[in-house]
Amino acid sequence: SQQGEEDPQALSIQEGENATMNCSYKTSINNLQWYRQNSGRGLVHLILIRSNEREKHSGRLRVTLDTSKKSSSLLITASRAADTASYFCATDGNAGGTSYGKLTFGQGTILTVHP
Amino acid sequence: NAGVMQNPRHLVRRRGQEARLRCSPMKGHSHVYWYRQLPEEGLKFMVYLQKENIIDESGMPKERFSAEFPKEGPSILRIQQVVRGDSAAYFCASSQTSGKNIQYFGAGTRLSVL
Repeated sequence: SQQGEEDPQALSIQEGENATMNCSYKTSINNLQWYRQNSGRGLVHLILIRSNEREKHSGRLRVTLDTSKKSSSLLITASRAADTASYFCATDGNAGGTSYGKLTFGQGTILTVHP
Repeated sequence: NAGVMQNPRHLVRRRGQEARLRCSPMKGHSHVYWYRQLPEEGLKFMVYLQKENIIDESGMPKERFSAEFPKEGPSILRIQQVVRGDSAAYFCASSQTSGKNIQYFGAGTRLSVL
């Protein structure tokens, strides 16, 4: 399996509900980032959490990072139809102490928020 | 401040032709990354460049693919003698420095090989 795997693969909820997506990775990291991609569009950066941080908030987004379990979660509170998109986690590896910023992406979670 | 600009947005080529994809990074960014996304998959790293230098091309196929980021002008991803399997979305990202900085992505070029 690959670095940066999200689950679930697809999530369908009603507007107003919370959406939680999880990401697991294998190697040590400098940071972990979450991106959103609307269908047929480019990626939009949502939030970056560094390896020495455990939790970070940005508006309706809450990200946690557990380096002991090599996992992260993205929580979107009070979801809206406009949140419908694919969400990817990406890790910036730290193999051998060198990190060039090369991001390794997971397969993504497809979130559908019904009005 | 314009974001990362990629062109063309859509590119159609016949098998055996060449494809050239262009990427202009955000103003002030000297680090460029190219990624490929196959349908319903995540992005896969291809190459990382700084001005006039290829830093990491570990994700690039050994043949037919090349990338450059000249001193002046955009970064170019070049695919020679395209095959149907090259059909994908190609994304460029730029960052101010490497490592711990956020990468900002362009809208992508969707390549279709007939």
